[in-house]
Amino acid sequence: DAGVIQSPRHEVTEMGQEVTLRCKPISGHDYLFWYRQTMMRGLELLIYFNNNVPIDDSGMPEDRFSAKMPNASFSTLKIQPSEPRDSAVYFCASNSIGSDTQYFGPGTRLTVL
Amino acid sequence: GQQVMQIPQYQHVQEGEDFTTYCNSSTTLSNIQWYKQRPGGHPVFLIQLVKSGEVKKQKRLTFQFGEAKKNSSLHITATQTTDVGTYFCDSNSNSGYALNFGKGTSLLVTP
Repeated sequence: DAGVIQSPRHEVTEMGQEVTLRCKPISGHDYLFWYRQTMMRGLELLIYFNNNVPIDDSGMPEDRFSAKMPNASFSTLKIQPSEPRDSAVYFCASNSIGSDTQYFGPGTRLTVL
Repeated sequence: GQQVMQIPQYQHVQEGEDFTTYCNSSTTLSNIQWYKQRPGGHPVFLIQLVKSGEVKKQKRLTFQFGEAKKNSSLHITATQTTDVGTYFCDSNSNSGYALNFGKGTSLLVTP
């Protein structure tokens, strides 16, 4: 298996623009997690899905952030409109039911100017 | 959200010295996972501890889970420059809610 796949790997955009981050979890995994990592706040859980259903989105910073999982092999994290303080590395991770081991993707480094 | 607290936040050691990082929780944990993130990389799973008082070893790394299942430690014996990175712990509480990873402990090893 190729592991968790994220795209793009790097994104540079201007304030106010819409940003869409994409994730393909490991095939057969039931859980998908979106994290944001910054120097100041560390690794923060934004939202996680179980069988494509959002379970806990309490970590989503505000209404500008939204996440979807239309099927078991694809998820998106959207920021609209983006702001400079959204600059961070965004990780997607997945794991299978019965296991607490999360497999992380390579991350998307987002820079909002 | 809830969080396991890690200390120290940073540690700088000379190669060959030992290193320990601690994770502490106010609630009882069902298990604990340790991850390592190299600079510029993504977190990679190291080990999972489940039983009270459990001790596991991976070469120079020793992982412990407290008797009360509220704390855990990672000890590295005789650090090497390849140990550089940030070490995170992660867990679910007995209530099942996912806990944040937190800031981890960043280890710098100088030759």
